[in-house]
Amino acid sequence: ETGVTQTPRHLVMGMTNKKSLKCEQHLGHNAMYWYKQSAKKPLELMFVYSLEERVENNSVPSRFSPECPNSSHLFLHLHTLQPEDSALYLCASSPQGGEYSPLHFGNGTRLTVT
Amino acid sequence: GQNIDQPTEMTATEGAIVQINCTYQTSGFNGLFWYQQHAGEAPTFLSYNVLDGLEEKGRFSSFLSRSKGYSYLLLKELQMKDSASYLCAASDSNYQLIWGAGTKLIIKP
Repeated sequence: ETGVTQTPRHLVMGMTNKKSLKCEQHLGHNAMYWYKQSAKKPLELMFVYSLEERVENNSVPSRFSPECPNSSHLFLHLHTLQPEDSALYLCASSPQGGEYSPLHFGNGTRLTVT
Repeated sequence: GQNIDQPTEMTATEGAIVQINCTYQTSGFNGLFWYQQHAGEAPTFLSYNVLDGLEEKGRFSSFLSRSKGYSYLLLKELQMKDSASYLCAASDSNYQLIWGAGTKLIIKP
Protein backbone atom coordinates (compact mmCIF):
# COMPACT_ATOMS: atom_id res chain seq x y z
CA GLU A 1 0.00 0.00 0.00
CA THR A 2 1.70 3.17 -1.18
CA GLY A 3 -0.95 5.66 -0.01
CA VAL A 4 -1.56 6.53 -3.66
CA THR A 5 -3.97 4.26 -5.50
CA GLN A 6 -4.39 4.15 -9.25
CA THR A 7 -7.06 2.39 -11.27
CA PRO A 8 -7.14 0.55 -13.52
CA ARG A 9 -3.75 -1.19 -13.35
CA HIS A 10 -3.95 -2.17 -17.01
CA LEU A 11 -5.92 -0.63 -19.88
CA VAL A 12 -6.13 -1.54 -23.54
CA MET A 13 -7.98 0.89 -25.76
CA GLY A 14 -8.50 1.59 -29.40
CA MET A 15 -7.65 4.93 -30.94
CA THR A 16 -11.29 5.98 -31.09
CA ASN A 17 -12.12 5.09 -27.48
CA LYS A 18 -12.58 7.42 -24.52
CA LYS A 19 -11.36 6.26 -21.14
CA SER A 20 -10.30 7.77 -17.83
CA LEU A 21 -7.51 6.98 -15.39
CA LYS A 22 -8.18 7.53 -11.72
CA CYS A 23 -5.84 8.40 -8.88
CA GLU A 24 -6.62 8.73 -5.19
CA GLN A 25 -4.26 9.69 -2.38
CA HIS A 26 -4.85 9.09 1.31
CA LEU A 27 -1.86 11.07 2.59
CA GLY A 28 -3.40 14.50 3.06
CA HIS A 29 -1.11 15.98 0.43
CA ASN A 30 -1.83 19.22 -1.39
CA ALA A 31 -0.09 18.59 -4.73
CA MET A 32 -0.81 15.87 -7.28
CA TYR A 33 0.98 14.99 -10.51
CA TRP A 34 0.61 12.95 -13.69
CA TYR A 35 3.77 11.46 -15.20
CA LYS A 36 4.32 9.38 -18.33
CA GLN A 37 6.95 6.64 -18.14
CA SER A 38 8.16 5.04 -21.38
CA ALA A 39 10.75 2.29 -21.53
CA LYS A 40 14.33 3.53 -21.16
CA LYS A 41 13.23 7.17 -21.10
CA PRO A 42 13.13 9.70 -18.25
CA LEU A 43 9.88 10.35 -16.51
CA GLU A 44 7.89 13.02 -18.34
CA LEU A 45 5.88 15.42 -16.21
CA MET A 46 2.47 15.98 -17.76
CA PHE A 47 0.37 17.93 -15.26
CA VAL A 48 0.67 19.34 -11.76
CA TYR A 49 -2.15 20.39 -9.47
CA SER A 50 -1.62 22.31 -6.26
CA LEU A 51 -4.62 22.80 -4.00
CA GLU A 52 -6.85 21.69 -6.88
CA GLU A 53 -5.51 24.31 -9.29
CA ARG A 54 -3.47 23.33 -12.33
CA VAL A 55 -0.01 24.89 -12.04
CA GLU A 56 1.85 23.00 -14.76
CA ASN A 57 0.97 21.79 -18.22
CA ASN A 58 4.04 20.69 -20.11
CA SER A 59 2.82 21.04 -23.68
CA VAL A 60 0.78 17.88 -23.43
CA PRO A 61 -1.47 17.10 -26.44
CA SER A 62 -5.12 17.98 -25.92
CA ARG A 63 -6.11 14.32 -26.24
CA PHE A 64 -5.03 14.14 -22.57
CA SER A 65 -7.32 16.09 -20.26
CA PRO A 66 -6.75 16.22 -16.50
CA GLU A 67 -9.32 16.84 -13.81
CA CYS A 68 -8.79 17.46 -10.10
CA PRO A 69 -12.15 17.70 -8.30
CA ASN A 70 -10.53 17.83 -4.85
CA SER A 71 -7.10 17.46 -3.27
CA SER A 72 -7.49 13.69 -2.88
CA HIS A 73 -8.57 12.76 -6.41
CA LEU A 74 -7.04 13.19 -9.82
CA PHE A 75 -8.24 11.97 -13.19
CA LEU A 76 -6.72 11.77 -16.63
CA HIS A 77 -9.28 11.65 -19.40
CA LEU A 78 -8.12 10.06 -22.63
CA HIS A 79 -9.60 10.33 -26.13
CA THR A 80 -8.44 9.61 -29.68
CA LEU A 81 -5.05 8.41 -28.48
CA GLN A 82 -2.18 7.32 -30.71
CA PRO A 83 -0.13 4.11 -30.45
CA GLU A 84 2.87 6.17 -29.25
CA ASP A 85 0.83 7.09 -26.18
CA SER A 86 1.24 3.52 -24.95
CA ALA A 87 3.20 3.80 -21.68
CA LEU A 88 2.98 3.56 -17.92
CA TYR A 89 1.07 6.52 -16.48
CA LEU A 90 2.08 7.33 -12.94
CA CYS A 91 0.23 9.48 -10.47
CA ALA A 92 2.12 11.07 -7.59
CA SER A 93 1.43 13.34 -4.67
CA SER A 94 3.51 15.50 -2.35
CA PRO A 95 2.81 17.55 0.77
CA GLN A 96 3.17 20.72 -1.26
CA GLY A 97 4.47 21.69 -4.66
CA GLY A 98 8.10 22.67 -4.96
CA GLU A 99 10.94 22.79 -2.46
CA TYR A 100 12.04 19.63 -0.72
CA SER A 101 8.98 17.51 -1.26
CA PRO A 102 9.57 13.83 -2.05
CA LEU A 103 6.98 12.40 -4.37
CA HIS A 104 4.76 9.48 -3.39
CA PHE A 105 3.87 7.48 -6.46
CA GLY A 106 1.07 5.08 -7.28
CA ASN A 107 1.73 1.77 -9.02
CA GLY A 108 0.67 3.22 -12.34
CA THR A 109 -1.70 2.34 -15.13
CA ARG A 110 -0.14 0.35 -17.99
CA LEU A 111 -1.84 1.77 -21.09
CA THR A 112 -1.77 0.05 -24.47
CA VAL A 113 -3.28 1.85 -27.47
CA THR A 114 -4.13 -0.42 -30.37
CA GLY B 1 19.75 22.41 -21.77
CA GLN B 2 19.07 20.43 -18.65
CA ASN B 3 20.23 16.85 -18.55
CA ILE B 4 20.78 13.85 -16.30
CA ASP B 5 23.08 10.96 -17.21
CA GLN B 6 23.16 7.58 -15.49
CA PRO B 7 24.16 4.13 -16.74
CA THR B 8 21.40 2.12 -18.40
CA GLU B 9 22.16 -1.17 -16.70
CA MET B 10 24.52 -2.61 -14.09
CA THR B 11 25.10 -6.12 -12.77
CA ALA B 12 26.40 -7.02 -9.33
CA THR B 13 26.71 -10.05 -7.09
CA GLU B 14 24.69 -10.78 -3.98
CA GLY B 15 26.57 -9.62 -0.88
CA ALA B 16 28.78 -7.20 -2.81
CA ILE B 17 28.81 -3.40 -3.08
CA VAL B 18 27.67 -1.40 -6.11
CA GLN B 19 27.89 2.31 -6.91
CA ILE B 20 25.41 3.89 -9.32
CA ASN B 21 26.61 7.22 -10.71
CA CYS B 22 24.55 10.19 -11.84
CA THR B 23 25.76 13.41 -13.45
CA TYR B 24 23.50 16.39 -13.90
CA GLN B 25 23.35 19.74 -15.66
CA THR B 26 20.57 22.02 -14.49
CA SER B 27 19.65 25.69 -14.44
CA GLY B 28 20.18 26.26 -10.75
CA PHE B 29 20.12 23.45 -8.24
CA ASN B 30 17.89 22.65 -5.31
CA GLY B 31 18.89 19.12 -4.47
CA LEU B 32 19.12 15.64 -5.88
CA PHE B 33 16.78 12.70 -5.31
CA TRP B 34 17.19 8.96 -5.69
CA TYR B 35 14.19 6.66 -6.14
CA GLN B 36 13.94 2.88 -6.37
CA GLN B 37 11.45 1.25 -8.71
CA HIS B 38 10.80 -2.49 -8.77
CA ALA B 39 9.34 -3.86 -11.99
CA GLY B 40 5.62 -3.15 -12.19
CA GLU B 41 5.64 -1.08 -9.01
CA ALA B 42 5.69 2.54 -7.90
CA PRO B 43 8.97 4.44 -7.60
CA THR B 44 9.75 4.91 -3.92
CA PHE B 45 11.85 7.67 -2.38
CA LEU B 46 15.33 6.65 -1.18
CA SER B 47 17.32 9.79 -0.48
CA TYR B 48 17.71 13.54 -0.93
CA ASN B 49 20.99 15.46 -0.97
CA VAL B 50 21.34 19.22 -1.17
CA LEU B 51 24.70 19.70 0.57
CA ASP B 52 28.02 18.16 -0.48
CA GLY B 53 28.94 14.93 1.19
CA LEU B 54 27.72 11.49 2.04
CA GLU B 55 24.36 10.66 3.60
CA GLU B 56 24.11 7.17 5.03
CA LYS B 57 20.84 5.35 5.56
CA GLY B 58 21.35 1.71 6.50
CA ARG B 59 22.73 -0.29 3.58
CA PHE B 60 22.17 2.64 1.20
CA SER B 61 24.25 5.83 1.02
CA SER B 62 24.04 8.79 -1.32
CA PHE B 63 26.80 11.23 -2.17
CA LEU B 64 26.71 14.67 -3.75
CA SER B 65 29.34 16.98 -5.22
CA ARG B 66 27.71 20.22 -6.33
CA SER B 67 30.88 21.58 -7.91
CA LYS B 68 31.18 18.51 -10.13
CA GLY B 69 27.46 18.08 -10.82
CA TYR B 70 27.78 14.51 -9.62
CA SER B 71 26.03 12.11 -7.31
CA TYR B 72 26.19 8.43 -6.59
CA LEU B 73 24.07 5.87 -4.79
CA LEU B 74 26.04 3.22 -2.91
CA LEU B 75 24.37 -0.06 -2.06
CA LYS B 76 26.16 -2.38 0.38
CA GLU B 77 25.59 -6.04 1.26
CA LEU B 78 23.48 -6.48 -1.83
CA GLN B 79 20.39 -8.62 -1.57
CA MET B 80 18.33 -10.16 -4.38
CA LYS B 81 15.48 -7.80 -3.51
CA ASP B 82 17.71 -4.87 -4.50
CA SER B 83 17.20 -5.83 -8.14
CA ALA B 84 15.30 -2.80 -9.42
CA SER B 85 15.67 0.39 -11.40
CA TYR B 86 17.22 3.35 -9.64
CA LEU B 87 16.10 6.80 -10.76
CA CYS B 88 18.15 9.96 -10.27
CA ALA B 89 16.37 13.34 -10.36
CA ALA B 90 17.75 16.85 -9.87
CA SER B 91 15.68 19.82 -8.75
CA ASP B 92 16.38 23.00 -10.71
CA SER B 93 16.03 26.65 -9.72
CA ASN B 94 12.22 26.44 -10.13
CA TYR B 95 12.04 23.21 -8.12
CA GLN B 96 11.23 21.32 -11.32
CA LEU B 97 12.53 17.76 -11.29
CA ILE B 98 14.85 16.74 -14.14
CA TRP B 99 14.84 12.94 -14.35
CA GLY B 100 17.39 10.44 -15.58
CA ALA B 101 16.26 7.42 -17.60
CA GLY B 102 17.07 5.12 -14.69
CA THR B 103 19.66 2.44 -14.03
CA LYS B 104 18.46 -1.16 -14.07
CA LEU B 105 20.40 -3.08 -11.42
CA ILE B 106 20.59 -6.85 -11.80
CA ILE B 107 21.75 -8.86 -8.78
CA LYS B 108 23.15 -12.31 -9.41
CA PRO B 109 23.52 -15.04 -6.76
